[in-house]
Amino acid sequence: DGGITQSPKYLFRKEGQNVTLSCEQNLNHDAMYWYRQDPGQGLRLIYYSQIVNDFQKGDIAEGYSVSREKKESFPLTVTSAQKNPTAFYLCASSIYGVYNEQFFGPGTRLTVL
Amino acid sequence: SQQGEEDPQALSIQEGENATMNCSYKTSINNLQWYRQNSGRGLVHLILIRSNEREKHSGRLRVTLDTSKKSSSLLITASRAADTASYFCATDGKGSNYKLTFGKGTLLTVNP
Repeated sequence: DGGITQSPKYLFRKEGQNVTLSCEQNLNHDAMYWYRQDPGQGLRLIYYSQIVNDFQKGDIAEGYSVSREKKESFPLTVTSAQKNPTAFYLCASSIYGVYNEQFFGPGTRLTVL
Repeated sequence: SQQGEEDPQALSIQEGENATMNCSYKTSINNLQWYRQNSGRGLVHLILIRSNEREKHSGRLRVTLDTSKKSSSLLITASRAADTASYFCATDGKGSNYKLTFGKGTLLTVNP
């Protein structure tokens, strides 16, 4: 089955720890995205990548880092510098270009204890 | 920055009724998309309307786009309890490098 997967589904972190969220897709999409969603809010773009070995900051990149070493994978690291990391994190992928419907993973809910 | 803003924030209707949600945006767009999100899940793409289109249909969904007013509406006809979800509009702004900007969503509750 083609799709996009995220793991883990739930993640608990102690303050001061870095954590990495996984995102994998087998849709052969060039572009991948990470969003953050807070309760009752829309999605805010953290980072995006349009091609392997290249990525750009979105609207709220501070405290986060990413890598794009493979077309299929776009992991997100939430660092200790992110002051309020508790949120629902969504990964998406799309073909690159206009008319770009995005396909979303099921999300990872991160809670800082 | 939030480009799209949905209205109303919440909508409660009875099964069988129609549901209309609106989206306003601020800058010129390449296209506008509507997504659905069930509670605690990822988003699912519903429909995309291009900037040169005025209306589009997909099953029980009807989307309109008025670029002069920078607004769009999503109509769900003959709603079902399974339509209960949050609905988001997303805009692909001109010059945005094909990034989408999402609104805050409309929470639709369809009562059986």
